[in-house]
Amino acid sequence: SAVISQKPSRDICQRGTSLTIQCQVDSQVTMMFWYRQQPGQSLTLIATANQGSEATYESGFVIDKFPISRPNLTFSTLTVSNMSPEDSSIYLCSAAPLAEITDTQYFGPGTRLTVL
Amino acid sequence: AQKVTQAQTEISVVEKEDVTLDCVYETRDTTYYLFWYKQPPSGELVFLIRRNSFDEQNEISGRYSWNFQKSTSSFNFTITASQVVDSAVYFCALSEASSASKIIFGSGTRLSIRP
Repeated sequence: SAVISQKPSRDICQRGTSLTIQCQVDSQVTMMFWYRQQPGQSLTLIATANQGSEATYESGFVIDKFPISRPNLTFSTLTVSNMSPEDSSIYLCSAAPLAEITDTQYFGPGTRLTVL
Repeated sequence: AQKVTQAQTEISVVEKEDVTLDCVYETRDTTYYLFWYKQPPSGELVFLIRRNSFDEQNEISGRYSWNFQKSTSSFNFTITASQVVDSAVYFCALSEASSASKIIFGSGTRLSIRP
């Protein structure tokens, strides 16, 4: 398995500002992912964070709004840019450990974002 | 296209009752993986089980058991002798071998165990 931490755990932000969420894994991983969970909803994949190259975004998500970095095998950031109240969600990072062949994703505790 | 359906939005049972959470999936791949995750009120997503499409054996882990049936495209989850700590939202999920590890989640079932 993998232990994943996220910072911040929660934040309240003003409309128009940006927030960067950090995701740290305790072991080297192959894939890292970012999800959004809107209130009372399921998880929606935002993008796959690729190490050393640009992230791969899912339909409906764009780099200008959700820029992602992945400088190494254990760390990634997601920025929510020019926020609006509709961006209020839980943002979760997940990772698939290199040591496992099953590609099982383990999740961080999430970042609860409220945009006023 | 891949899809996961959890028809039960909410279930409420009294402690010590058995409860089954249903999951039906759709995929065109012959190689795929099915998952169950638990999300307690604290919000973190806890991995419970992974099953690959070639392994239809049922699995039991303590009070938890899983029934995988390819003939009906179902991967149901049963909690035996439920406890209040089992109260959570449970997500069934699917990953196709051709999809570079991307997981598609069902809509989730909110399980409430009453004392």
